[in-house]
Amino acid sequence: QKEVEQNSGPLSVPEGAIASLNCTYSDRGSQSFFWYRQYSGKSPELIMSIYSNGDKEDGRFTAQLNKASQYVSLLIRDSQPSDSATYLCAVAESGNTPLVFGKGTRLSVIA
Amino acid sequence: DGGITQSPKYLFRKEGQNVTLSCEQNLNHDAMYWYRQDPGQGLRLIYYSQIVNDFQKGDIAEGYSVSREKKESFPLTVTSAQKNPTAFYLCASSTETGGDYEQYFGPGTRLTVT
Repeated sequence: QKEVEQNSGPLSVPEGAIASLNCTYSDRGSQSFFWYRQYSGKSPELIMSIYSNGDKEDGRFTAQLNKASQYVSLLIRDSQPSDSATYLCAVAESGNTPLVFGKGTRLSVIA
Repeated sequence: DGGITQSPKYLFRKEGQNVTLSCEQNLNHDAMYWYRQDPGQGLRLIYYSQIVNDFQKGDIAEGYSVSREKKESFPLTVTSAQKNPTAFYLCASSTETGGDYEQYFGPGTRLTVT
C-alpha cells in the first residue's frame, strides 16, 4: 500500500515568517512530487512540482526533495494571511499516472 | 479559456438514485482522473483513464462507473450500490511534457445523498 504522510497541523506561523511543511512517502519508485494548496471548500491548486533531488524555487515557495530519505518539503517565505490553507503533498510513479495524496497540513498565518 | 469544468457544483439526490457527474477538459490532456474527498481526508482515487476508450479502477471503485468515449470528457456515475456517496468529487487531467508531469483539478462537485 503506497502511503504519503503529513502532519495534519494546524501549523501556525506569524505573518512574514517562514512556514515549513513536510511529507514522507513509502514508495521508493515514486518519480514525481507535488504540492497543492486547497482553500476551504475549493479544489486543490498546483503550486509546486519537483522531480529530482535538491531544491526548486518559485517566488516565495521552495520545494525540497530527498529521495534517499523519501522526504519532500515545502518552504513558504514571507508568509501572508492569504497563504492560510491546507497543503496537500502528492506523489506519482511516473507521468500520467494517478497521484497518491497525503491528508494535508493545515497552515494558519497569523496577522 | 482553457481548463477543466465540472457540473453541477452542488448536487442533491435521494438514496437509491443513480447520478452522473460531468467532467470536461479543453487542455488536450490524454489522462483524466476522478478522486473523492471526505472531510479531513486526503483525496482517494476512484477511476482513471490514460487514453480514450480505456480506464482503470482506483482504490475505491466499488459503486461507481465511468466512460471515456471522447478525449475531452470523463463522466462519473455514482450508482445506488455506493454505500456512502456523500462527498466532494474532484476531476483532474494531466499531461506529460519532456519528462515533466503535472495534474490539474476542476472546481469539484459536492454531492449530498439523503
